[in-house]
Amino acid sequence: KAGVTQTPRYLIKTRGQQVTLSCSPISGHRSVSWYQQTPGQGLQFLFEYFSETQRNKGNFPGRFSGRQFSNSRSEMNVSTLELGDSALYLCASRLDGDYEQYFGPGTRLTVT
Amino acid sequence: ELKVEQNPLFLSMQEGKNYTIYCNYSTTSDRLYWYRQDPGKSLESLFVLLSNGAVKQEGRLMASLDTKARLSTLHITAAVHDLSATYFCAVDFGYGGSQGNLIFGKGTKLSVKP
Repeated sequence: KAGVTQTPRYLIKTRGQQVTLSCSPISGHRSVSWYQQTPGQGLQFLFEYFSETQRNKGNFPGRFSGRQFSNSRSEMNVSTLELGDSALYLCASRLDGDYEQYFGPGTRLTVT
Repeated sequence: ELKVEQNPLFLSMQEGKNYTIYCNYSTTSDRLYWYRQDPGKSLESLFVLLSNGAVKQEGRLMASLDTKARLSTLHITAAVHDLSATYFCAVDFGYGGSQGNLIFGKGTKLSVKP
């Protein structure tokens, strides 16, 4: 069974640009959560999607947005990038009714 | 405020020794997770603890949960170099449809030396 996949794995962007990251969950998993990991703030929850609906949102500015498609694939978008957005972005998928989250390999975003 | 605190944040151990990592959290939850992260890698699930008194063991690692004390421990027995990594605990404070929002501790960076 394939695991969670994230694309791209590495990304370099310039301040002010926008970026879209993609996450494909494990087959059958309808819940997708996104997390940001930085050395200073650690791992922080961004948002969770379930059946194309945002179910939870963390404490991030509106520049961070996401969506989920009918095949459960999810994208997150960051607009007007700032240097502080440089981070490892992890997504995790979960089977409905299960508690375990399975993390993808992450997308490492560098903003210059 | 929902908080998860781990200690210690850094741990240097000798091979063969035992040690415990502690994870305290701020409010009621019975869903606690332990993850391992190697440098530059993603999170690997170690344990999912879902009830008071839950104890799980895998190899040299054993995790337990005391929901009344809001405390989980990760005990390392006879450490080996391969256990060197950063260990995170995380708590799901949500209810029902709010699951999936994990609050993480800052992580414990474990270094096992020969």
